[in-house]
Amino acid sequence: GAGVSQSPSNKVTEKGKDVELRCDPISGHTALYWYRQSLGQGLEFLIYFQGNSAPDKSGLPSDRFSAERTGGSVSTLTIQRTQQEDSAVYLCASSLVASAGTNYGYTFGSGTRLTVV
Amino acid sequence: ILNVEQSPQSLHVQEGDSTNFTCSFPSSNFYALHWYRWETAKSPEALFVMTLNGDEKKKGRISATLNTKEGYSYLYIKGSQPEDSATYLCAFSGGTSYGKLTFGQGTILTVHP
Repeated sequence: GAGVSQSPSNKVTEKGKDVELRCDPISGHTALYWYRQSLGQGLEFLIYFQGNSAPDKSGLPSDRFSAERTGGSVSTLTIQRTQQEDSAVYLCASSLVASAGTNYGYTFGSGTRLTVV
Repeated sequence: ILNVEQSPQSLHVQEGDSTNFTCSFPSSNFYALHWYRWETAKSPEALFVMTLNGDEKKKGRISATLNTKEGYSYLYIKGSQPEDSATYLCAFSGGTSYGKLTFGQGTILTVHP
């Protein structure tokens, strides 16, 4: 696609329910990143994918969070048993990657605003 | 833990003023430094990617410099316009985390007409 697409754009869920957030990156971008911004905080790294593998998942806050990427394209971030502290804007980004590293700028999606009530 | 610090936290200027912000980052094992502009209700947009000490990049009225030896980057806006109002984020990759960016908290710029 022309840009990075995220869905849903807004999600309100009850505490304890599971949610799935989807990211469709730019075609041909091998790297895909998940970040979140909680109220009053900066962008917090969650996980990144190079192809279908996740070299760094150190930012996932707990084992309730998981992510996968299939076919080197779409990624899904799943939060199980949501808690109120999970409320945030979840941003996905993709980029070209040469051999490794961050030589290219990220293209961000418009985010999913998650509210846990 | 990588610390990326931005200052000031927020800035109010008048239309036509020139302004600059600072980003400081670890000076060892540097890989790349990015600047992004994030306007309200939009996605962050990449402004610059810099990888070499002494790099200077320019895009219209906005420019950036990089000093990897001392660990800082400056972003300059010449002749600020109201449409420049946004949060400006810097992000660093390096050390053992060169595959991902660590973002600063951002500088919120408001340009008053």
